[in-house]
Amino acid sequence: EVQLVESGGGLVQPGGSLRLSCAASGFMISTSTMNWVRQAPGRGLEWVAYIGGSSNTIYYADSVKGRFTVSRDNAKSSLYLQMNSLRAEDTALYYCTRSGYWGQGTLVTVSS
Amino acid sequence: DIQMTQSPSSLSASVGDRVTITCRASQGIRNDLGWYQQKPGKAPKRLIYDASSLQSGVPSRFSGTGSGTEFTLTISSLQPEDFATYYCLQYNSYPWTFGQGTKVEIK
Repeated sequence: EVQLVESGGGLVQPGGSLRLSCAASGFMISTSTMNWVRQAPGRGLEWVAYIGGSSNTIYYADSVKGRFTVSRDNAKSSLYLQMNSLRAEDTALYYCTRSGYWGQGTLVTVSS
Repeated sequence: DIQMTQSPSSLSASVGDRVTITCRASQGIRNDLGWYQQKPGKAPKRLIYDASSLQSGVPSRFSGTGSGTEFTLTISSLQPEDFATYYCLQYNSYPWTFGQGTKVEIK
């Protein structure tokens, strides 16, 4: 059974950093394309980042480009999202997804 | 970027009603479209992929049609557990883009 469990969210001040993790099970993360999607409180869904099966292909939404970095650790079967220079508008529930499967999300709040 | 225009933004319907939600893409996306259902406090759940393929375990009252730029999600007979927000998602090209959502409420 495919399972995705996000962690690492929390309250951070503007300009700060956080690293989100997504623990994957039930499939081989090393060969899977993965995405991060976020949802601001009361708002719709916004795609954030993509990492290809070989990690050679990575894409970011314009809103996070240059500030966020997606990576994976195959040995730990985990996906990461390093978020730097955080802004109030980055406040959201962050989900990792793989081919229709979604985790439960981890909440990031950027506020002073 | 491909824009996804979803309509309506909300609708009120009764149990047993037939409900239709539409997504229009700003350019052709073949059949690279999914439909998601989201209930309050829960992660989105995929109902349909590749425009018309029913996700395993999803009731057959849900169906999807379309190709190119026009897509439709139909609920043939609305059930109490179907009251939720629905989103379309195009995955033809990055950046992936979602529709704005359709909130289905009880009449």
